[in-house]
Amino acid sequence: AQKVTQAQTEISVVEKEDVTLDCVYETRDTTYYLFWYKQPPSGELVFLIRRNSFDEQNEISGRYSWNFQKSTSSFNFTITASQVVDSAVYFCALSEKGTGANNLFFGTGTRLTVIP
Amino acid sequence: DVKVTQSSRYLVKRTGEKVFLECVQDMDHENMFWYRQDPGLGLRLIYFSYDVKMKEKGDIPEGYSVSREKKERFSLILESASTNQTSMYLCASSLGGARGNEQFFGPGTRLTVL
Repeated sequence: AQKVTQAQTEISVVEKEDVTLDCVYETRDTTYYLFWYKQPPSGELVFLIRRNSFDEQNEISGRYSWNFQKSTSSFNFTITASQVVDSAVYFCALSEKGTGANNLFFGTGTRLTVIP
Repeated sequence: DVKVTQSSRYLVKRTGEKVFLECVQDMDHENMFWYRQDPGLGLRLIYFSYDVKMKEKGDIPEGYSVSREKKERFSLILESASTNQTSMYLCASSLGGARGNEQFFGPGTRLTVL
């Protein structure tokens, strides 16, 4: 079973629109960590955020915000007032307590295109 | 700033060749990882290492081997390259110890096997 599901393969929005990227995860552990990474056209994955399973507080960082809901096993990512520079592939990932070396299970990614 | 570097951005090899992909990190991280990225499949873990000379198989180790002789360097080896190993290869590193440490990625190597 896939541990991390990103059902949206591709999304296109017009600049300045808000957009939410969905992430649903599956785990039996009570202690786990969730991540979002951005992969711009250059190819290098850039770390955006980490949340642990005991902290359900939503987080805001500039135009970015994250909504973590254990009840629905979701960790969604919203970009407010999108910009062309936000165009990238975004990956959600899960790290479980039982895995060695902080292994990450990645979703298949969502390609976001922001149209000027 | 953590820096993870990979020896090549683009590589073209022929079927049957032995291929070495090198990865170096400069932040004294214990853990290092090799992934391949394919369209529609996301990132899949090939091998990882949590210490010098230690290695563990990931989800798709078949056709690959690794070497970690020094803490900062983690090499991925394709003993006999095949066309189905054409892919983007990403190296990453992270601190050891406590769970949940983020991984830092290199720029990737796009390998084409003809």
